[in-house]
Amino acid sequence: SQQGEEDPQALSIQEGENATMNCSYKTSINNLQWYRQNSGRGLVHLILIRSNEREKHSGRLRVTLDTSKKSSSLLITASRAADTASYFCATALLDTDKLIFGTGTRLQVFP
Amino acid sequence: GAVVSQHPSWVICKSGTSVKIECRSLDFQATTMFWYRQFPKQSLMLMATSNEGSKATYEQGVEKDKFLINHASLTLSTLTVTSAHPEDSSFYICSAAQLGSYNEQFFGPGTRLTVL
Repeated sequence: SQQGEEDPQALSIQEGENATMNCSYKTSINNLQWYRQNSGRGLVHLILIRSNEREKHSGRLRVTLDTSKKSSSLLITASRAADTASYFCATALLDTDKLIFGTGTRLQVFP
Repeated sequence: GAVVSQHPSWVICKSGTSVKIECRSLDFQATTMFWYRQFPKQSLMLMATSNEGSKATYEQGVEKDKFLINHASLTLSTLTVTSAHPEDSSFYICSAAQLGSYNEQFFGPGTRLTVL
């Protein structure tokens, strides 16, 4: 399977703490994207990092990409209860229009 | 921003019936649309890629005769689950991509299908 792996599968933290989730993938990519999904809802696009970028910030989000290790991380700083959701990485493969999603991390932020 | 809608948002049907799900790009032309399936507490799995005016390309293991996809216009793609069975119960999500921006997909809100 081409599907990426994410860890941890589940993460529980207190409000104000930072949350880090990791994504590993198997093939060469054009870019890597992170999405959030609230329970039973659609996907919300968070951030896209291209294969020639190493780090990207958006508000409280920080994404890193290491193409040599085929891995990425998403850091959410100063987490809030509203950040409670599932987070997925998705890799855009070279020479294709497909997105391959990772297994996801379920984040629970307690107030 | 680019908005994608899906209809219905949820549907309950009896085993053996067919269900049609619509995916619309509301404010842009989508040359390519994608259909995903998501089982509870699992990730999204790509089912098929549809290009306007041509046959859909199905991923390995997805039955094309069971999941009929039609992309008749640049703003509408439909997924029909034929002769649905309880194991087809899932969350179906579509996404749409604009010409030249295939890696940036805009996702619909999903359709919850429950087959009794």
